[in-house]
Amino acid sequence: EAGVTQSPTHLIKTRGQQATLRCSPISGHTSVYWYQQALGLGLQFLLWYDEGEERNRGNFPPRFSGRQFPNYSSELNVNALELEDSALYLCASSLDSIANYGYTFGSGTRLTVV
Amino acid sequence: GDSVTQMEGPVTLSEEAFLTINCTYTATGYPSLFWYVQYPGEGLQLLLKATKADDKGSNKGFEATYRKETTSFHLEKGSVQVSDSAVYFCALNNFGNEKLTFGTGTRLTIIP
Repeated sequence: EAGVTQSPTHLIKTRGQQATLRCSPISGHTSVYWYQQALGLGLQFLLWYDEGEERNRGNFPPRFSGRQFPNYSSELNVNALELEDSALYLCASSLDSIANYGYTFGSGTRLTVV
Repeated sequence: GDSVTQMEGPVTLSEEAFLTINCTYTATGYPSLFWYVQYPGEGLQLLLKATKADDKGSNKGFEATYRKETTSFHLEKGSVQVSDSAVYFCALNNFGNEKLTFGTGTRLTIIP
């Protein structure tokens, strides 16, 4: 069974540009979560999608947005990139019951803004 | 709201030493508790979990027991190896909250 896949692995952008990050969940998982991990530690919750709808978002500005497609894959868009957006962006998916199973994470996309 | 507090790192131990990484939580009700591990350059992997009080999660020689009375879920291993060097995250999920709440992570380095 394929795990959570993220692309690209690395992404280098210039300040002010837009970045698009992609995530494919494990087959059968309908929920996708996005986290930002800056400075090598600490996960900040970004967004949660389930059944194509945004269910919750963390304390991030509106230039962080995304969507979930009918096949449950997801895209994270970051507009007007700033230097402090440089981070590892992690996607995770889950079965219905997080309490029993937790998340399965992808390997992440390393975004560098120069 | 829900929160997780982990011991400050980094932690450096010699190979075969005993490991404890403390984790305490604040939550109403009876949350599920998790430990995740992140190896260098990788995403997070589920290490172990416990879904109710007094449950013991275990995997790869690591153990953690869900202690409701002390709201703790400390991670332990009897004899660490160099390959255990990683960042360890404690997390919880509370009923009705459809996401995990993570601690800040503890960086562990094992020296031969």
